[in-house]
This record gives sequence, structure tokens and C-alpha cells, in this order.
Amino acid sequence: SQQGEEDPQALSIQEGENATMNCSYKTSINNLQWYRQNSGRGLVHLILIRSNEREKHSGRLRVTLDTSKKSSSLLITASRAADTASYFCATDAGSGGSNYKLTFGKGTLLTVNP
Amino acid sequence: NAGVMQNPRHLVRRRGQEARLRCSPMKGHSHVYWYRQLPEEGLKFMVYLQKENIIDESGMPKERFSAEFPKEGPSILRIQQVVRGDSAAYFCASSPTRQYNEQFFGPGTRLTVL
Repeated sequence: SQQGEEDPQALSIQEGENATMNCSYKTSINNLQWYRQNSGRGLVHLILIRSNEREKHSGRLRVTLDTSKKSSSLLITASRAADTASYFCATDAGSGGSNYKLTFGKGTLLTVNP
Repeated sequence: NAGVMQNPRHLVRRRGQEARLRCSPMKGHSHVYWYRQLPEEGLKFMVYLQKENIIDESGMPKERFSAEFPKEGPSILRIQQVVRGDSAAYFCASSPTRQYNEQFFGPGTRLTVL
């Protein structure tokens, strides 16, 4: 089974609109993290939310976590063309001990049109 | 504080050659992780190392792949006798501690096998 599946696979919006991406996972976690990857580049860490947190903000980013539904959402408000990138959620292995082993989904490709 | 450094950024090898990928973690980080990203896929965990120790290599193919993190110098991911299926982006990440991991990623090495 695949941990950390993002939805939708692709999202296209106009500059100024909000973008919402979702992530579902299957097993218990300690933390869930969101990363951004610009085309052909490395990953940039955006935000980490712990399993005992429900919501977290960072600038124009808002992340929610619902452990009962095993899902998270990333909201980018007032999007800009520079937000165009792929967004990945990454989960760790929860209580199994190997919480260093991040599992990534295939990502959501966000395109923000000027 | 420089981020995670990887070199080379692009590497082209012919089938049967060896590929050596280098990773210098962030200053003060003693934990290194290697991930592989195939086209249109998320990152997949390969190996976790601390200085002079391989902690978990469960994601690394048993043959042709090896990794090390010596006391001095960068971490090395070595792929012997490369095949076309090894073509991918290889990312290194580092963290100062295993707990509540925020892994900081390097820019990646894009390996192309001809």
C-alpha cells in the first residue's frame, strides 16, 4: 500500500486564487511534512505538522491534519506564479521505530497562471 | 550556513560503468539519508547512515549499490555496473537528529545511463 498519496495529481489556477492539495496515508505517523519541488530541482521543506497538532500556519501556507481520517491538506492562499511547482507530502513510520524513513507520494503539480 | 551539497549535479554514464554520487550534509548534521526519484514518481528511501555506520539500507538494491559515510569527507552513494533503469534523480538529505525529523534535502544528482 502506498503511504502519502496526494490529490489532485495536477491543479491549475489563476494568480491570486487559493490552492488546496490533499494527502492521504494509511498507517500511523509521528509527523507529516510538506515539500515543494520546482521542476528539475531539489526539495524545499515547507512545513512539518506533528500527529498531536491539527493545524499549522506559515506565511501563506496552512496545513491541517486529521489523524482519524489519515489525511492532511495544504492550502496556499493568494497564489503567485512563483508557487508553480510540485508539492509532496511525506510521512514517517509512526511507532515502528524507523521514523527517519520518509515516504513520499507522487505529488501534486500546481500551475499558477499569471 | 550552507545547505546540503551534492555533486555532481548531472552525471552521464554508459551501461556497465560506475557512478559515484557525493553528499555533504549541513554543518552540524550527522545523519544522512539517500532517496531515489524515478520520473513522475515521489522519492523512495534507499539508505540511512550516520558517521561510519549504515543504520538502515532496506531501500537499497542488494546488488551493485553501496553507500558509505566516512569519518571525514562526504557521504558516497556508489552504483556499480549501471543499467538504464538506474537513470533517476538521487537526493541526499541530512538532519541533526532522528526524532521529529525535518530532513533538509540537497539539489540532487541526475544520473542518466546511456
